Amino acid sequence: DIVLTQSPVLAVSLGQRATISCRASQSVSISSINLMHWYQQKPGQQPKLLIYRASNLASGIPARFSGSGSGTDFTLTIDPVQADDIAAYYCQQSRESPNTFGAGTKLELK
Amino acid sequence: QVQLQQSGAELVKPGSSVKISCKASGYTFTSYDMHWIKQQPGNGLEWIGWIYPGNGNTKYNQKFNGKATLTADKSSSTAYMQLSSLTSEDSAVYFCARGAAHFDYWGQGVMVTVSS
Repeated sequence: DIVLTQSPVLAVSLGQRATISCRASQSVSISSINLMHWYQQKPGQQPKLLIYRASNLASGIPARFSGSGSGTDFTLTIDPVQADDIAAYYCQQSRESPNTFGAGTKLELK
Repeated sequence: QVQLQQSGAELVKPGSSVKISCKASGYTFTSYDMHWIKQQPGNGLEWIGWIYPGNGNTKYNQKFNGKATLTADKSSSTAYMQLSSLTSEDSAVYFCARGAAHFDYWGQGVMVTVSS
């Protein structure tokens, strides 16, 4: 299985930039298609799709969210961070079955 | 608008089975894969498998072979997951989610508690 590694916690100040990383144990890209996706989950809620195929903003998601990366290294950026962004963030790969998720990064306030 | 409405919380005994549902609305049910994802308390997300309601094809995470069975009823636009031989390790929230490679709509989740 492809293992996705995320830092457990990231502390940021409101109005600053947050950069959340996800590293895959092997490439999740096919040609120019990067099969890495990002979700936000708040306590007691279902996950919400933020970014698909590494850099595509999902419908209804604010432009302060962006994604980048290819191969094995991917980044979710939130700029600027707002209070409503305090949540857990998960990456997910669909390059190879089984789909796998990272363990999540909790975004906290400094 | 797309909605996935899941059934209510379940309290079940060890060794028993449970069947949870996910009713889809707002889109053509038979045209999208339906995935199921497990989340244990305080833990991350684990993909169980998918079903394509159009023809009933399924694919499972090997880890859940024999544990989870996915079915779909086209007449009611409802997907089901049955979990069998339940143990405390199966206590979790289970989500259904629409999608192919990524999951664009999620149900609200069903909490399954396995306890005697």
